[in-house]
Amino acid sequence: AQKITQTQPGMFVQEKEAVTLDCTYDTSDQSYGLFWYKQPSSGEMIFLIYQGSYDEQNATEGRYSLNFQKARKSANLVISASQLGDSAMYFCAMREGHNSGYALNFGKGTSLLVTP
Amino acid sequence: EAQVTQNPRYLITVTGKKLTVTCSQNMNHEYMSWYRQDPGLGLRQIYYSMNVEVTDKGDVPEGYKVSRKEKRNFPLILESPSPNQTSLYFCASSLLREGHQPQHFGDGTRLSIL
Repeated sequence: AQKITQTQPGMFVQEKEAVTLDCTYDTSDQSYGLFWYKQPSSGEMIFLIYQGSYDEQNATEGRYSLNFQKARKSANLVISASQLGDSAMYFCAMREGHNSGYALNFGKGTSLLVTP
Repeated sequence: EAQVTQNPRYLITVTGKKLTVTCSQNMNHEYMSWYRQDPGLGLRQIYYSMNVEVTDKGDVPEGYKVSRKEKRNFPLILESPSPNQTSLYFCASSLLREGHQPQHFGDGTRLSIL
C-alpha cells in the first residue's frame, strides 16, 4: 500500500504568490518523521523541512512551512513568496522506526513551475 | 562543509562489467543508505547500514552488494550489471537518534548499462 500520496503531479504558481503542495501519509506507528525534499532539474535531492509526529507546532524554515494535521494524516508544504528558483520536483517522505529499516518512503512527487 | 560525496556522477558501461559507486560522508553519521530513482516508480531503498559492519536489504536489493568497513564509506557494488539497473542512484546518510533525523543525500550517480 502506498504510504505517501501526493495527488498533484504538477502545479503552476506565479512569482511572489504562495503555493501549497499536498501530502497525505499512512502509518500505524505512533512515532514517525515527515520530510519534504526538493529536486531541481540538476537532479540533487535537497532537504527542506522536517516535522516529527509528536511535534505540536508546525515546522517552519524560512519561506517553507509544513501544515501538519495529524488526525487527517496530512503534511502539506507551503511555500510563501514563490521565486523562479523554486521550480523543481518536490517530494514528501516519511520515516518510520526500526521495523522499516528507518527507510524514507517517498511520494511520487509534485512538479512545481513558478512563472514570472 | 558537511556533505555526502558520490563518485562517479555519471557512468555509461556495458552489461556484466563489475562496477562500484563510492559514497563517503563527513558528518559522522551512523546510518547510510542507497536509493535508486526511476520514472514512475519514485525512490526505492536498495540497502542500508545502521553502523559499521551492519548492513541490511531494502526494498530492491537484487543485483547489488554493499559493505560498511568504515563509518564514513558505504560503496554500492554491481557485480554483473544489467540494463534494468540503469537508473539514478543516491547515497544518503543521517544520525540515528530515534530514527527521525533527515537523511542528507549525495548529488546522485546517473548510471547507464548498455
